[in-house]
Amino acid sequence: DTEVTQTPKHLVMGMTNKKSLKCEQHMGHRAMYWYKQKAKKPPELMFVYSYEKLSINESVPSRFSPECPNSSLLNLHLHALQPEDSALYLCASSHNPAGGPRNEQYFGPGTRLTVT
Amino acid sequence: DQQVKQNSPSLSVQEGRISILNCDYTNSMFDYFLWYKKYPAEGPTFLISISSIKDKNEDGRFTVFLNKSAKHLSLHIVPSQPGDSAVYFCAARRGTYKYIFGTGTRLKVLA
Repeated sequence: DTEVTQTPKHLVMGMTNKKSLKCEQHMGHRAMYWYKQKAKKPPELMFVYSYEKLSINESVPSRFSPECPNSSLLNLHLHALQPEDSALYLCASSHNPAGGPRNEQYFGPGTRLTVT
Repeated sequence: DQQVKQNSPSLSVQEGRISILNCDYTNSMFDYFLWYKKYPAEGPTFLISISSIKDKNEDGRFTVFLNKSAKHLSLHIVPSQPGDSAVYFCAARRGTYKYIFGTGTRLKVLA
């Protein structure tokens, strides 16, 4: 199983709502990532978890709150978002947290988020 | 500050011919480079990678070349097939987890 799943596929939320994005992998990967991708732009790293601990926060606003409840699950909690936060949110995982060779990432299909 | 650049937003190639996708980077601290393919409504899919200590890596129809002195890498696909039509991203790694992606090149393989 080389699949990373993300739910929901699409999400529309108001600026006062609280919602969560979910990501799951069963490949035994110990590094998991959240990326944000705007139209016609490359994916931008937001957060990295390694062995369920937050390793990298790329100065992401606190209205985005990541959580890694166990080695297979990664959540992104959303609160008080702005319209400019509308984007495709991609989850990824990789096998080797030490960053050795062949540390390629496996991506999920993404959640298309629209903030109204 | 775009540290990884793909200067060609799109490329069209005839089926059976070679596709060459290019990527330039500015940070000499990158130690690992990857190419991903992305179809619409899907996440990027890993294709091939190369360590900064090598200058070539080959996997079937895909070959990646790295020129460290020029800070340039390229992906060669030969022969190109219509199923290769997608957006291709190069990515570079700095440190353990930081992957920086290029802006992407849309490849269209014409039958």
